[in-house]
Amino acid sequence: AQSVTQLGSHVSVSEGALVLLRCNYSSSVPPYLFWYVQYPNQGLQLLLKYTTGATLVKGINGFEAEFKKSETSFHLTKPSAHMSDAAEYFCAVSGAGGTSYGKLTFGQGTILTVHP
Amino acid sequence: EPEVTQTPSHQVTQMGQEVILRCVPISNHLYFYWYRQILGQKVEFLVSFYNNEISEKSEIFDDQFSVERPDGSNFTLKIRSTKLEDSAMYFCASSPRGSSYNSPLHFGNGTRLTVT
Repeated sequence: AQSVTQLGSHVSVSEGALVLLRCNYSSSVPPYLFWYVQYPNQGLQLLLKYTTGATLVKGINGFEAEFKKSETSFHLTKPSAHMSDAAEYFCAVSGAGGTSYGKLTFGQGTILTVHP
Repeated sequence: EPEVTQTPSHQVTQMGQEVILRCVPISNHLYFYWYRQILGQKVEFLVSFYNNEISEKSEIFDDQFSVERPDGSNFTLKIRSTKLEDSAMYFCASSPRGSSYNSPLHFGNGTRLTVT
């Protein structure tokens, strides 16, 4: 069984400030971890993913996330927020391999607001 | 870049009516999925579909739900007799391969279903 918890349903930052969106997961198998972003009236767009290898992964739009197995965390960061980053962000987990292809378990989402 | 397209963007139906949500996955993709998000809740996996049959389904996907790939391009979700609690945003997704390792899901913009 897998689960994802995103701490904070709303995060507000000033433009240029650090963005930190928290995600903790639970998985009985080695996890694949994902961050998706959803802009208003659009679908879910993949920001980045961790599968194997390097634990610090870089994604689009300057975002990155670090897989910390000891902490069961996969927090999303961006050094300097931009107004265009305002969106809802979803952390998701799936099992590595197996037959549950594409079966993602999502967190509840975090709405990021960026103030000028 | 190829996109997953969903129609309609918003569907209103009366309780007890049948509804069909339509999706056109990316053309060379082989795996197809439906997810839904009830307002204020998490995005939830409904069903995965490969080689003209269901690969996996969640507890939500009961006998009221069915999926079909009627031709080479469309992928549909049918709800036979809608209930108020079926009101949600329904997302279609596709991937070129089953494992999420290097073939993350591509999501459509969603269809908002409102059951009155």
